[in-house]
Amino acid sequence: RKEVEQDPGPFNVPEGATVAFNCTYSNSASQSFFWYRQDCRKEPKLLMSVYSSGNEDGRFTAQLNRASQYISLLIRDSKLSDSATYLCVVNLSAGNMLTFGGGTRLMVKP
Amino acid sequence: NAGVTQTPKFQVLKTGQSMTLQCAQDMNHEYMSWYRQDPGMGLRLIHYSVGAGITDQGEVPNGYNVSRSTTEDFPLRLLSAAPSQTSVYFCASRKGGSYEQYFGPGTRLTVT
Repeated sequence: RKEVEQDPGPFNVPEGATVAFNCTYSNSASQSFFWYRQDCRKEPKLLMSVYSSGNEDGRFTAQLNRASQYISLLIRDSKLSDSATYLCVVNLSAGNMLTFGGGTRLMVKP
Repeated sequence: NAGVTQTPKFQVLKTGQSMTLQCAQDMNHEYMSWYRQDPGMGLRLIHYSVGAGITDQGEVPNGYNVSRSTTEDFPLRLLSAAPSQTSVYFCASRKGGSYEQYFGPGTRLTVT
């Protein structure tokens, strides 16, 4: 089993739709969680951190479920510009390393 | 600030050749890392450094060497290139106490 697992997609949605991605992680002691966005043939960039109480940034909502060991990303009112790959990132231990999921590809269509 | 820079952007090597991928950052970040990204595999950590003079192995270190003689530079050396090392390589840096990583634009390497 991969340490950080995501559905690779692609998720094909129309503009204006709401779409949600989940990500599961293996280590129950994990402390820090993030969503990164990666555009085609570009480097990943931090989209948002995920806090225990859940957090929102405009149309994006991130949630953490420690009991079931997953995090989620909800995108409301999808825009064409949201088309990208979304990477789940977890600090699996107290060490310095971040572990990346394989990414979920989103395609928003007109 | 230029952020994280990587050279070259593209490289083709023959099996057995060696080369160095360059990475530099001008943000005075303590932590620097090298990842490779392959289709369906996500980013996998090769080596990382928590400061000048200190390096450690990541998930897939075999076939690669690193050194960190300055805070700014973190080169990745391929000792004897193999086709399995065909990949996109990203360098990243972050400040101590933060997990926000800043990535360079990547180096696309093909080994034939």
